[in-house]
Amino acid sequence: ELKVEQNPLFLSMQEGKNYTIYCNYSTTSDRLYWYRQDPGKSLESLFVLLSNGAVKQEGRLMASLDTKARLSTLHITAAVHDLSATYFCAVDIAGNQFYFGTGTSLTVIP
Amino acid sequence: KAGVTQTPRYLIKTRGQQVTLSCSPISGHRSVSWYQQTPGQGLQFLFEYFSETQRNKGNFPGRFSGRQFSNSRSEMNVSTLELGDSALYLCASSSNVETQYFGPGTRLLVL
Repeated sequence: ELKVEQNPLFLSMQEGKNYTIYCNYSTTSDRLYWYRQDPGKSLESLFVLLSNGAVKQEGRLMASLDTKARLSTLHITAAVHDLSATYFCAVDIAGNQFYFGTGTSLTVIP
Repeated sequence: KAGVTQTPRYLIKTRGQQVTLSCSPISGHRSVSWYQQTPGQGLQFLFEYFSETQRNKGNFPGRFSGRQFSNSRSEMNVSTLELGDSALYLCASSSNVETQYFGPGTRLLVL
């Protein structure tokens, strides 16, 4: 059974600090996606990682993919309150068949 | 370009009833996927349609079904509703494997 595990599940961090969210998955895949979800809202695409060693950056967020370790990371630099949300990683195993991680609920405290 | 739209946005049904949810993908997108989101199980893949054919199916009972029309619009149907079917149902469209774009969702409450 495919497993996509994220840790931590909950993250409370102070503004200005750095932190990393981890996403481990149990099957071979070179397509990994990160999404953001605000309370009561739908999913917003953040990053698409399509090969081993891929690194993408947007603002204070940077995502990377290590397909050999079956690990993706989402690094947050100098957090600000606007980054408070739930972050999901998703692995695509068969073309538009996404398996999502458990999500990481991030709260940035002033 | 208009985004993915889903109707209705909110729905209240009683056990045993059936429900049909609708999804209109982004213009030009031929793939439509459906997901169920619940606090307990998280986001789970239901099925994916491409050019009116179901290509992939998740691990859900046969009460959950779907279809796609020639204009790529998709519907999903849940028959004999159970309390546990209460969830946010998300539709996503894609033109390739780059990413999926999600709609606002339909929140279903089964009483």
